[in-house]
Amino acid sequence: QKEVEQNSGPLSVPEGAIASLNCTYSDRGSQSFFWYRQYSGKSPELIMFIYSNGDKEDGRFTAQLNKASQYVSLLIRDSQPSDSATYLCAVNTGFQKLVFGTGTRLLVSP
Amino acid sequence: ETGVTQTPRHLVMGMTNKKSLKCEQHLGHNAMYWYKQSAKKPLELMFVYSLEERVENNSVPSRFSPECPNSSHLFLHLHTLQPEDSALYLCASSQDSGLAGGEQYFGPGTRLTVT
Repeated sequence: QKEVEQNSGPLSVPEGAIASLNCTYSDRGSQSFFWYRQYSGKSPELIMFIYSNGDKEDGRFTAQLNKASQYVSLLIRDSQPSDSATYLCAVNTGFQKLVFGTGTRLLVSP
Repeated sequence: ETGVTQTPRHLVMGMTNKKSLKCEQHLGHNAMYWYKQSAKKPLELMFVYSLEERVENNSVPSRFSPECPNSSHLFLHLHTLQPEDSALYLCASSQDSGLAGGEQYFGPGTRLTVT
C-alpha cells in the first residue's frame, strides 16, 4: 500500500511566524513531490513541486526533500491569515499517478 | 475560459437517475484525471486518460463510466449511484512528460449529492 502521511492538525501559528508542514511517504521509488493548497470549499491549487534532495524556494515558500528519510516538508515564512487553508502533500508513485495525504489544516491568527 | 472548467458545479440526483459530469481543459495538456474527494479522506484517483487512452482505472465501480472524446474534454457518466457516492468530484489535467507530468491542475469540482 503506497501511503502518504500528514498530521491533520490544525497547526496554529501567529501572523508573521514560520509555518512548518510535514509529510512522509512509504514508496521509496517515488520521484516527484508536490504541495497543494486547498481553501475550504475550493479545489486544490498547486503551490510547489520538488524532485531533488534539498531545498527549493519560491517566494515565501520553501519545499524540502529528504529521500533517504522519505520526508517532505513545506515551510511558509511570514505567515499571513490568507495562508489559512489545508495543505495537501502528493507523491508521484509512477506514470502520472499522484497519491495524496489527507492534508494538514493551517490556521494563521492575526 | 482559462484553466480547467467543470460543469455542473452542484448536482443533486436520485439513485435511479443518470447524469454526466463534464470537464474541459484549456491548458493544452494531454492527460486528464477524475478524482473523488470525501470528507476526512485523501483525494482518491478514479481514472486517468493519457492521449485519450484510459491508462488507469482505480477499481472504480461500474456505475461510474468515464469518456474522453479528445484531449481537451473528459466526461464522467453516472448511473444508479449510492448515497455514499456523494462527494466532490474533481477533474485535473497535466502534460504527460516524465517527472513534470505530476504537475496536475484541478478544476473547481462538482459537488454531488445522491439522495
